[in-house]
Amino acid sequence: GEDVEQSLFLSVREGDSSVINCTYTDSSSTYLYWYKQEPGAGLQLLTYIFSNMDMKQDQRLTVLLNKKDKHLSLRIADTQTGDSAIYFCAESITNMRFGAGTRLTVKP
Amino acid sequence: DTEVTQTPKHLVMGMTNKKSLKCEQHMGHRAMYWYKQKAKKPPELMFVYSYEKLSINESVPSRFSPECPNSSLLNLHLHALQPEDSALYLCASSQGGGVGETQYFGPGTRLLVL
Repeated sequence: GEDVEQSLFLSVREGDSSVINCTYTDSSSTYLYWYKQEPGAGLQLLTYIFSNMDMKQDQRLTVLLNKKDKHLSLRIADTQTGDSAIYFCAESITNMRFGAGTRLTVKP
Repeated sequence: DTEVTQTPKHLVMGMTNKKSLKCEQHMGHRAMYWYKQKAKKPPELMFVYSYEKLSINESVPSRFSPECPNSSLLNLHLHALQPEDSALYLCASSQGGGVGETQYFGPGTRLLVL
């Protein structure tokens, strides 16, 4: 299996909060990332967190890191239809290692 | 400016063709990457150039040939590809190729091999 794991699908209603979860296995990861990929497009860096931080907030995005459990989450507040995309969690040790991606569907 | 550009956006080629994918960044980054992404899968690393030298080749077949003419440009030369090579090819760059660096991705070239 993959070293970075994510659930494959998430569906929410417009205006609700979305929480996308990720687990990783390498405790030596220095940075952990969230990328967004819209259909047919490249990867857009959304946010990242340094491994010595617990939380990072950037407008509607909140990243939580539980280093003990090797668990990373991305919360999107007030989710909009434009947030529908695939969200990749990634860890960076020697190279970037991606999870399989979570497909977020936002229903009006 | 955190932009990485890639050309062409789409490419259709036959198995006997020779073509090239191009990637450019003007962020002063010294590391550039090629990834391959199949549908519904995460990107897979192919090559890493650091300071214009090939530092990582992830056992990619020789029908893919990377080239880094200068620190801003990265090419991927394609020859005698197979239909299973059809994928989205993503270029990325980072500051120097060191551990834990943030990578910025281009929009990708969608390749179809017939």
